[in-house]
Amino acid sequence: EVQLLESGGGLVQPGGSLRLSCAASGFTFNNYAMSWVRQAPGKGLEWVSVISASGDSTYYADSVRGRFTIFRDKSKNTLALQMNRLRVEDTAVYYCAKELNGHIYGSFDYWGQGTQVTVSS
Amino acid sequence: QSALTQPASVSGSPGQSITISCTGTSSDVGGYNSVSWYQQHPGRAPKLLIYDVTNRPSGVSNRFSGSKSGNSASLTISGLQAEDEADYYCSSYTSSSTLPYVFGTGTNVTVL
Repeated sequence: EVQLLESGGGLVQPGGSLRLSCAASGFTFNNYAMSWVRQAPGKGLEWVSVISASGDSTYYADSVRGRFTIFRDKSKNTLALQMNRLRVEDTAVYYCAKELNGHIYGSFDYWGQGTQVTVSS
Repeated sequence: QSALTQPASVSGSPGQSITISCTGTSSDVGGYNSVSWYQQHPGRAPKLLIYDVTNRPSGVSNRFSGSKSGNSASLTISGLQAEDEADYYCSSYTSSSTLPYVFGTGTNVTVL
């Protein structure tokens, strides 16, 4: 059974940092691109970042580029998102999501339960 | 890259069919057969309903169907049921070199 379990969310002050993790199991992690998607309170889905199966390619939404870094630990089957210089508008539930077909394409067949990030003073 | 445009809300009575539209451009919806649809109930993670415009993952009811024409895609829910009351989002691959995906604005479906 495919499982994605996020952790690392919490309350942080503006300008602070957090690292989110997503522990993956039930599939061959190294064969699939993975993404982070967020949802601000009462708002729609916003794609944040994606990393290819090999880890060689990464992409970021304009709103987070230069502040967030996505990476994967193949030995631990873990996806991570390092978030620096956090802003109030980064407050959201953050989901990790698995690509359906492995490559960067935009169909996410499995999602984690989400982890709440709150940026507030 | 702007979000794909969806109606804010759609409603229908049990047993009816409803259609949700998703409008983009030739750089996303119109240019690729990579449109997906997701269902999200309050407080829950999204669930994939449709991928590659028309395909349903295993386990998804055949009451959900997708289509595309030009720069617009559609999700049709047939035989509307109370459990279909949720938010629905489309997404598409894009030609952008920096942002390969874009989501729709989301549609809230109400079962009357």
